[in-house]
Amino acid sequence: DGGITQSPKYLFRKEGQNVTLSCEQNLNHDAMYWYRQDPGQGLRLIYYSQIVNDFQKGDIAEGYSVSREKKESFPLTVTSAQKNPTAFYLCASSIDLSQPQHFGDGTRLSIL
Amino acid sequence: AQSVTQLDSQVPVFEEAPVELRCNYSSSVSVYLFWYVQYPNQGLQLLLKYLSGSTLVKGINGFEAEFNKSQTSFHLRKPSVHISDTAEYFCAVSDHGRGSTLGRLYFGRGTQLTVWP
Repeated sequence: DGGITQSPKYLFRKEGQNVTLSCEQNLNHDAMYWYRQDPGQGLRLIYYSQIVNDFQKGDIAEGYSVSREKKESFPLTVTSAQKNPTAFYLCASSIDLSQPQHFGDGTRLSIL
Repeated sequence: AQSVTQLDSQVPVFEEAPVELRCNYSSSVSVYLFWYVQYPNQGLQLLLKYLSGSTLVKGINGFEAEFNKSQTSFHLRKPSVHISDTAEYFCAVSDHGRGSTLGRLYFGRGTQLTVWP
């Protein structure tokens, strides 16, 4: 079955540590996205990528970094510069402008 | 940029009652509209979408929504809810006017639907 796989499902970060969240898709989609979800705030866009080796900042990119070396993969790094990283992180992909986004099951990040 | 307003953060309703979840958006340019559902600790699942054509859109699980361009609204309805419909629902808008960003979705803050027996 085609879909989006996010790992791990739960992740803990120590103060001052960088952590990387994985997102892999086998839908052959060109566009991929990272969102952050906090209670009562909906989804906020962190980064998105239209094609391989290209990505753009979203609304809340500070303290995060991404790479898009392969079409299937769009990992997100939460750096130590992100002072409030505790949240639910969702990865999504879409084939083109007119099609809706497909979502992974998310990674919940917590601070130790 | 678009803004999306979901007017109710919580909607409690009894089983088999009808429900309407409201969504308004800001832009008057050409838009695509979506409703997603999220169950606890899961990702978002597409309920329905409006891209063009008929303003009444039918989705999965018996849900439907009506696009009203003059009121910039896209309210979600179900004539008879089940306990299994308890979840959070998100309205999303994609702005396809001039200068828009590829596939950029703007989300509302969500409406928690709770269905009581």
